[in-house]
Amino acid sequence: AQTVTQSQPEMSVQEAETVTLSCTYDTSESNYYLFWYKQPPSRQMILVIRQEAYKQQNATENRFSVNFQKAAKSFSLKISDSQLGDTAMYFCAFGLTQGGSEKLVFGKGTKLTVNP
Amino acid sequence: DTAVSQTPKYLVTQMGNDKSIKCEQNLGHDTMYWYKQDSKKFLKIMFSYNNKELIINETVPNRFSPKSPDKAHLNLHINSLELGDSAVYFCASSQRGGVGQYFGPGTRLTVT
Repeated sequence: AQTVTQSQPEMSVQEAETVTLSCTYDTSESNYYLFWYKQPPSRQMILVIRQEAYKQQNATENRFSVNFQKAAKSFSLKISDSQLGDTAMYFCAFGLTQGGSEKLVFGKGTKLTVNP
Repeated sequence: DTAVSQTPKYLVTQMGNDKSIKCEQNLGHDTMYWYKQDSKKFLKIMFSYNNKELIINETVPNRFSPKSPDKAHLNLHINSLELGDSAVYFCASSQRGGVGQYFGPGTRLTVT
């Protein structure tokens, strides 16, 4: 079974600074996907960024980038130029495809607060 | 133009009742999902349907029954509600595996 660990229950950062959220996972699979989802106080789950395990290049989406270390089974999220709207719970997720579906296993989340 | 919608957004009911949550997506996706988020924010998959076929069926009490009348709709029916069923239930959809999922706004179910 796959497990996802987010070791930082809470973090805070000053506006405009950079913050890195940690995520490690455990699996015996070789083909999988990794995701970061954001859940602001509105409760909506929003996909932030995705990474395919077979790609060595780290994914980036504007101010969001990942550091994917496959051998170490590590998948951290870096947020640059933090904004107040980045305040949210951030969930790391491990994904396997199954019959056209995508089975996601989530970590317990990191609550990020961006301070003005 | 809501991509994934759920009704109702809030549901308060008594133990022993039967209730349903409806989900619709207008993204043309083939796959839909139900997740449960508990009071500690832990999110766990319950079911997935691909083109109306049940694909993922996690260890969920059989009081929970998903129904997919067509690939744009996936409803969740819960029989004999228990206190432990109180949670936020999310519907989601994806075009295929590996691309990530679009989530609905969630339904907060409170069982008293």
